Amino acid sequence: DTGVSQNPRHKITKRGQNVTFRCDPISEHNRLYWYRQTLGQGPEFLTYFQNEAQLEKSRLLSDRFSAERPKGSFSTLEIQRTEQGDSAMYLCASSLGAGRTDTQYFGPGTRLTVL
Amino acid sequence: AQTVTQSQPEMSVQEAETVTLSCTYDTSESDYYLFWYKQPPSRQMILVIRQEAYKQQNATENRFSVNFQKAAKSFSLKISDSQLGDAAMYFCACLSNSGYALNFGKGTSLLVTP
Repeated sequence: DTGVSQNPRHKITKRGQNVTFRCDPISEHNRLYWYRQTLGQGPEFLTYFQNEAQLEKSRLLSDRFSAERPKGSFSTLEIQRTEQGDSAMYLCASSLGAGRTDTQYFGPGTRLTVL
Repeated sequence: AQTVTQSQPEMSVQEAETVTLSCTYDTSESDYYLFWYKQPPSRQMILVIRQEAYKQQNATENRFSVNFQKAAKSFSLKISDSQLGDAAMYFCACLSNSGYALNFGKGTSLLVTP
């Protein structure tokens, strides 16, 4: 399967713990996006990378959240000191970068539950 | 800022019939793009159809077509000859030409009955 992959698919953690998610984009895609989706809502944009550069961040991305894409390939999203309000599906998407509005392809998501 | 509104939380259609999902949006941009994404239960989101705002012709993809009314800021999705596999959450989204973030509506859950 050559689509966007995310690991783990599910994560249960206790409040106050740190968690890290990984996203592997489609191999030739140089753009990578993170979104958060809570129950009954559409996805909300968190951040965007072009290659290894983080070019756009949402105000939703508080200082407890950090994202990296060290070599312009896979990306990680870390949440420090998790809170119950962080419980959500975290979606990663990638796109080719052929134009500003090229199609974003989504991964299956990581479902986070904070107890 | 952009907002996307989907006023139908749930819709139901019989197999082989036609259904229309509604979407309205608000943007101050003159150049933007509109999308419909499908999210089947426990599966990843996939693009159904996209429309460039500068194009007057409505986009079509096989059984899927849109009715784009730019002045009314309306972007509805029509699914013809509905199939059981069309059952999913459908999200309308808007992307401005000045940013990279898709702005999604809350979604419409489509049920397809035999």
